[in-house]
Amino acid sequence: QKEVEQDPGPLSVPEGAIVSLNCTYSNSAFQYFMWYRQYSRKGPELLMYTYSSGNKEDGRFTAQVDKSSKYISLFIRDSQPSDSATYLCAMSLRWGGSNYKLTFGKGTLLTVNP
Amino acid sequence: KAGVTQTPRYLIKTRGQQVTLSCSPISGHRSVSWYQQTPGQGLQFLFEYFSETQRNKGNFPGRFSGRQFSNSRSEMNVSTLELGDSALYLCASSLVGPSGGELFFGEGSRLTVL
Repeated sequence: QKEVEQDPGPLSVPEGAIVSLNCTYSNSAFQYFMWYRQYSRKGPELLMYTYSSGNKEDGRFTAQVDKSSKYISLFIRDSQPSDSATYLCAMSLRWGGSNYKLTFGKGTLLTVNP
Repeated sequence: KAGVTQTPRYLIKTRGQQVTLSCSPISGHRSVSWYQQTPGQGLQFLFEYFSETQRNKGNFPGRFSGRQFSNSRSEMNVSTLELGDSALYLCASSLVGPSGGELFFGEGSRLTVL
């Protein structure tokens, strides 16, 4: 079983739809949870970051973490064509002094159609 | 402030050759991480440098190496190129490291091995 599983899609939705993107993980030691957005031919950029279970909202974006189920989600409300990108979940844990393990999902390709 | 700069953006090599990629982090960032991104494997961690020292390393063969200079600029080298090394190589910088913090990615160097 992979440490982080993410449905690669592709996911195609009409403009204005609510989008739900999900990742599951197997390592209960993960402490920090992130969502990155990657536009075509660009590097990923951090969208949301959280370290606790529950919801975190930022504008049209809501990140949800359920540590008991080892499940994280990203919700996009009122989706726009400019949201069309690949969304990568990422999670990390620290061990030792400065050692860390940061693991990315493979990404979900989202297209929002006008 | 200027973002992460990677050069070259695109390059084509043949099997057996070697390649050097360069990364200039955001001013003040001391941590530079390198990732390989392919459609099949997603983002995979290569190594991280902090203050000129390799602090963490992923599961890649010894053909992949890197270094960091006193000005925090970093280079990675791949020797004896194989077809499977064709990928987007991404550099990411951060203030203290990616252990739960934000990574700032460059646009990547796209390597094609023929």
